[in-house]
Amino acid sequence: DAGVIQSPRHEVTEMGQEVTLRCKPISGHNSLFWYRQTMMRGLELLIYFNNNVPIDDSGMPEDRFSAKMPNASFSTLKIQPSEPRDSAVYFCASRHQDRAYGYTFGSGTRLTVV
Amino acid sequence: GEDVEQSLFLSVREGDSSVINCTYTDSSSTYLYWYKQEPGAGLQLLTYIFSNMDMKQDQRLTVLLNKKDKHLSLRIADTQTGDSAIYFCAESISGGSYIPTFGRGTSLIVHP
Repeated sequence: DAGVIQSPRHEVTEMGQEVTLRCKPISGHNSLFWYRQTMMRGLELLIYFNNNVPIDDSGMPEDRFSAKMPNASFSTLKIQPSEPRDSAVYFCASRHQDRAYGYTFGSGTRLTVV
Repeated sequence: GEDVEQSLFLSVREGDSSVINCTYTDSSSTYLYWYKQEPGAGLQLLTYIFSNMDMKQDQRLTVLLNKKDKHLSLRIADTQTGDSAIYFCAESISGGSYIPTFGRGTSLIVHP
């Protein structure tokens, strides 16, 4: 199994541009999570999906952030327009729904907004 | 305050034991976890313990849980330079769909 795959690994963009981060969960996992990691705030849960349906997006910081999961094998996190304070490492994770362990994280996308 | 608290840094000499401590606030925590994050990588589950256990051992790793004091520790025996990483403590409850709440992480630095 290739694990959770995120792309791109690194993204540098100018303020105001649209940014799209991508995630492919592990096959068979039906829950998908987007996290943001910064030095200041640590690891924050942004949104999670069960069976492709968004369950809790209370962690999404602003309307500039949106996430979709059109099918079981693909999810996107979009920031439009991007701002320098969005600079962070964004992680995707997946697992079987309601399983207490077995969270698998991707390697992350390091986003820099200049 | 934070739901899960950990010290930010720990420095040990290679070959010594490392002990990383964590405190949590939710008494209904069902599972407690230790994750490891190496540079440029995502978090990797190292081990977990169910709340009705006091101790769990897995090779060089020993997890101790003091439920009364809401204190969790991770001991790494014979610490190696490859153990240098950030270690995250996390808790989850059944009512929260077992979604972990993570601490800020402890950076373990192993020096020769």
